[in-house]
Amino acid sequence: QVQLQESGPGLVKPSQTLSLTCTVSGGSISSGHYYWTWIRQHPGKGLEWIGYIYYGGSTYYNPSLESRVTMSIDASTKQFSLKLRSVTAADTAVYYCARDTGPAGKAFDFWGQGTLVIVSS
Amino acid sequence: DIVMTQSPDSLALSLGERATINCKSSQSVLFSSNYKNYLAWYQQKPGQPPKLLIYWASSRESGVPDRFSGSGSGTDFTLTISSLQAEDVAVYYCQQYYSNPFTFGQGTKLEIK
Repeated sequence: QVQLQESGPGLVKPSQTLSLTCTVSGGSISSGHYYWTWIRQHPGKGLEWIGYIYYGGSTYYNPSLESRVTMSIDASTKQFSLKLRSVTAADTAVYYCARDTGPAGKAFDFWGQGTLVIVSS
Repeated sequence: DIVMTQSPDSLALSLGERATINCKSSQSVLFSSNYKNYLAWYQQKPGQPPKLLIYWASSRESGVPDRFSGSGSGTDFTLTISSLQAEDVAVYYCQQYYSNPFTFGQGTKLEIK
């Protein structure tokens, strides 16, 4: 059974960089079948797709966040990461990592439990 | 971006009743090369991540009870729960994964009356 677990600071100051890591267990992060994805959910609100990274390093970001987002992947540690620069209170959200099944077309089949990040001084 | 609009925003039904949640996309999510609709449904319970219920608009994910079913094509889709159980209380989201950026509906909150 694939499991994903987010980790990182729960509190980030305005204008600083939010950094999160997702650790994958129970499956390979190097499989060419999947896209490793970040999604966020503002408190009490809906879901916003941030973007994905492929094991080879190619990325696709939501244009609404593209200027501030960088994703990376490390197959040796089975981790992928999210950096969001110049954060404001509007970036306060629960951040989820998930597995996108890509061409298999099964959408997002495994999710982490999510981590709440609060942007505040 | 493809805009996903769900209706209703909330729904309160009695145990055993049929629940119907609608989702409309601002453009078709039907992929012409394989005739599949890139539309998924998720269930989110409080304090939990979303759980995949349905993909390709009507394919049930492994382990999902068969009282959950999805239908529709093109731009109009429906999630049906045939007989509401107490454990089905949750927020339900549709999502298109036809084109980037992938987008979600605003959610439908399902409660027991």
